[in-house]
Amino acid sequence: KQEVTQIPAALSVPEGENLVLNCSFTDSAIYNLQWFRQDPGKGLTSLLLIQSSQREQTSGRLNASLDKSSGRSTLYIAASQPGDSATYLCAVRLYGGATNKLIFGTGTLLAVQP
Amino acid sequence: NAGVTQTPKFRVLKTGQSMTLLCAQDMNHEYMYWYRQDPGMGLRLIHYSVGEGTTAKGEVPDGYNVSRLKKQNFLLGLESAAPSQTSVYFCASSFRTETQYFGPGTRLLVL
Repeated sequence: KQEVTQIPAALSVPEGENLVLNCSFTDSAIYNLQWFRQDPGKGLTSLLLIQSSQREQTSGRLNASLDKSSGRSTLYIAASQPGDSATYLCAVRLYGGATNKLIFGTGTLLAVQP
Repeated sequence: NAGVTQTPKFRVLKTGQSMTLLCAQDMNHEYMYWYRQDPGMGLRLIHYSVGEGTTAKGEVPDGYNVSRLKKQNFLLGLESAAPSQTSVYFCASSFRTETQYFGPGTRLLVL
């Protein structure tokens, strides 16, 4: 059974720091991996999607990497800002079938202090 | 273009009561999903649908029923609510296997 783990559960950094969020998964047979952002009391917003054949994806100050063989992904946030404060979730989509079922991690709560 | 909307935003139920949560999307997506989010558990898939008139069980389907009578709507029903169903419920939709778009959530408290 696929399990997705995110460490740390919470992180507090001063504004301007570069930071890395970690995601690990137990079964390397994934179709893709996504990083989402969730603001308090809100739904999820997709940030980056990495296909299993890709090593990384970039969007602005965000860079996500994927190492399938080791079952790991990282989300790198450059020059963090208070507006980056949110919960960040990773999710993997498994191979098999025509469905799009995602397995989510429990998230990392990020606080960027001004 | 409202994206994915959920009704209601918040609800309090007594044990044994029933209710229906409504999810609507205006993106003409074929796939729709219901998740629940609990502290320390992440999001877990309850039921999903890959097209109008079709539904399937997810990871935690017990105690819930769903219907997809129209392509744009996906209903989640609780026939006899239990305190264990206190949670935040999220609906999502996608164009087949592409990125899922999430609604703002429904907070449900069962007393």
